Amino acid sequence: DQQVKQNSPSLSVQEGRISILNCDYTNSMFDYFLWYKKYPAEGPTFLISISSIKDKNEDGRFTVFLNKSAKHLSLHIVPSQPGDSAVYFCAASGAGANSKLTFGKGITLSVRP
Amino acid sequence: GAGVSQSPSNKVTEKGKDVELRCDPISGHTALYWYRQSLGQGLEFLIYFQGNSAPDKSGLPSDRFSAERTGGSVSTLTIQRTQQEDSAVYLCASSLSSGRTNEQFFGPGTRLTVL
Repeated sequence: DQQVKQNSPSLSVQEGRISILNCDYTNSMFDYFLWYKKYPAEGPTFLISISSIKDKNEDGRFTVFLNKSAKHLSLHIVPSQPGDSAVYFCAASGAGANSKLTFGKGITLSVRP
Repeated sequence: GAGVSQSPSNKVTEKGKDVELRCDPISGHTALYWYRQSLGQGLEFLIYFQGNSAPDKSGLPSDRFSAERTGGSVSTLTIQRTQQEDSAVYLCASSLSSGRTNEQFFGPGTRLTVL
């Protein structure tokens, strides 16, 4: 039973265009959401997060949108750059002291020069 | 400063053998997590340590898996009598505390292959 779903395994975009990475979740107890980026042979690195009390969080070229009623979030990267090519994981955390993360399967983003 | 380090980076073992994976968290980080990533899957939570509290072992897949954290710093994940389905990348992460908003910093992982 996958609680965090990234249904598209891959995405290819042209440099300079917008990349939109989607994520859906099923557990209504999740209230904090994160995006991690992973290069081959490296551990994931934190990218951006959003609390359930917000519907948007922006950091430079990266913006995360949260639609709680639809249990859906998305990561927008604009403009996309070749260095953004990596695997992106959506993760969620519930309330309470234990902040273990539940991850999606990831989506491979390729940005074409 | 130094990030989270893990050793070994790669481990190949035969079915039935025991393995130990090591994690050195970032100095001063009180929370430590183990995850694993099987082929084509997302990261799966295994176990979580926070200070001197009892660890949350709810993600361990079987009693062949155990972990300890000595002195609130280094952690060792032990897999006994390894099976082929244990093959995965085992990732360790640490954070300043257990708060939900605290970023978890990941190590590079240990790739375990059970033949």
